[in-house]
Amino acid sequence: RKEVEQDPGPFNVPEGATVAFNCTYSDSASQSFFWYRQDCRKEPKLLMSVYSSGNEDGRFTAQLNRASQYISLLIRDSKLSDSATYLCVVILTGAGSYQLTFGKGTKLSVIP
Amino acid sequence: GAVVSQHPSRVICKSGTSVKIECRSLDFQATTMFWYRQFPKQSLMLMATSNEGSKATYEQGVEKDKFLINHASLTLSTLTVTSAHPEDSSFYICSAPLGRYSNEKLFFGSGTQLSVL
Repeated sequence: RKEVEQDPGPFNVPEGATVAFNCTYSDSASQSFFWYRQDCRKEPKLLMSVYSSGNEDGRFTAQLNRASQYISLLIRDSKLSDSATYLCVVILTGAGSYQLTFGKGTKLSVIP
Repeated sequence: GAVVSQHPSRVICKSGTSVKIECRSLDFQATTMFWYRQFPKQSLMLMATSNEGSKATYEQGVEKDKFLINHASLTLSTLTVTSAHPEDSSFYICSAPLGRYSNEKLFFGSGTQLSVL
């Protein structure tokens, strides 16, 4: 069974802080990686894809380390509105198959 | 843009009744639909994967006779919780990838909160 493990959290950080989450995956053949954000009782929303070269979107930076089989999400200058649960998603596709695995999520609370 | 429309958003029902949840893909064809449930303060748990025109694949521990999934068309997948009981109370949510083996984006329905009395 494909495993995706995330930092358990919760992370309680003050506004303006920098916080990082990690997510490890067990299947080295995994091909696609994403970070989703989920607010309480709402559907997950795509935050960003994770590319091999690393990618940045404003205050958010995502990185992939294939050798160590983990992805990370860095949030700089945390805002109160960043409070949510962050889910990593790992996808493996093959002939006739599409396997998607969510991490259990890391809860972030940004405190005034 | 691509959207997955999920209905109903909230259901309250008596124990023993069946509840049908619909997920429709708008503006794209969803050959695959994932169904999840989420208990309070827990992560999304994949229940089953449905593919248009074929039987759904259920995750270990999910009763296929209790959670009936139908994916008869490229734009509609349904989950029926048969003879619902209080322990089935949960948040159910569907998602569809854009494209058969696309790994670019998943589109989620808005979820259905099921409360069984």
